[in-house]
Amino acid sequence: AQSVAQPEDQVNVAEGNPLTVKCTYSVSGNPYLFWYVQYPNRGLQFLLKYITGDNLVKGSYGFEAEFNKSQTSFHLKKPSALVSDSALYFCAVKRSGGSYIPTFGRGTSLIVHP
Amino acid sequence: NAGVTQTPKFRVLKTGQSMTLLCAQDMNHEYMYWYRQDPGMGLRLIHYSVGEGTTAKGEVPDGYNVSRLKKQNFLLGLESAAPSQTSVYFCASSYTKRTGGLKGLFYEQYFGPGTRLTVT
Repeated sequence: AQSVAQPEDQVNVAEGNPLTVKCTYSVSGNPYLFWYVQYPNRGLQFLLKYITGDNLVKGSYGFEAEFNKSQTSFHLKKPSALVSDSALYFCAVKRSGGSYIPTFGRGTSLIVHP
Repeated sequence: NAGVTQTPKFRVLKTGQSMTLLCAQDMNHEYMYWYRQDPGMGLRLIHYSVGEGTTAKGEVPDGYNVSRLKKQNFLLGLESAAPSQTSVYFCASSYTKRTGGLKGLFYEQYFGPGTRLTVT
């Protein structure tokens, strides 16, 4: 079984400040972890993934995420938020091996204020 | 490449009507998926396919059927639409690629722009 939780429905941050969008997961075995972003009236776009290796993963648009096995977390971060980062963010997990069916979180709305 | 495309973009149906949503991808991906997105519910998997001629049920398959007659196309059918099927539908595709070791396995999905369906 696999599951993912995004504990915050909405995150508010001022432009220029660092941002964090939280994600915790539960999976048997090793996880594959993903972050996607959805802009209004658009499909999801892949941001970054963790498969194995370095715990800090860098992705598109200056985003990065840190895999923490002991805390079963994969929080999305950016050092300096932009208004254009305002969107809906989804975390997803898949158990290594097995079928190609990831489980998505419910999404976190990020609002960056000017 | 066009990536993943979906037709139509919008549709309004009356209860009991039928329709088919078409998803096409030009990336030669083996895996294709249909999701629905509802407020506060995130993405829920309806059906998926791991290759041409194969389909499988996802989390919420009732009221939907699918077909994958060609590798590049994945069709989602509603035989008798119900108001509960009002939603935004997303198609996605994904691939795997071995380049040596675990780091060669990729599973990210590519999503289409969505179809907004309203059933009255």
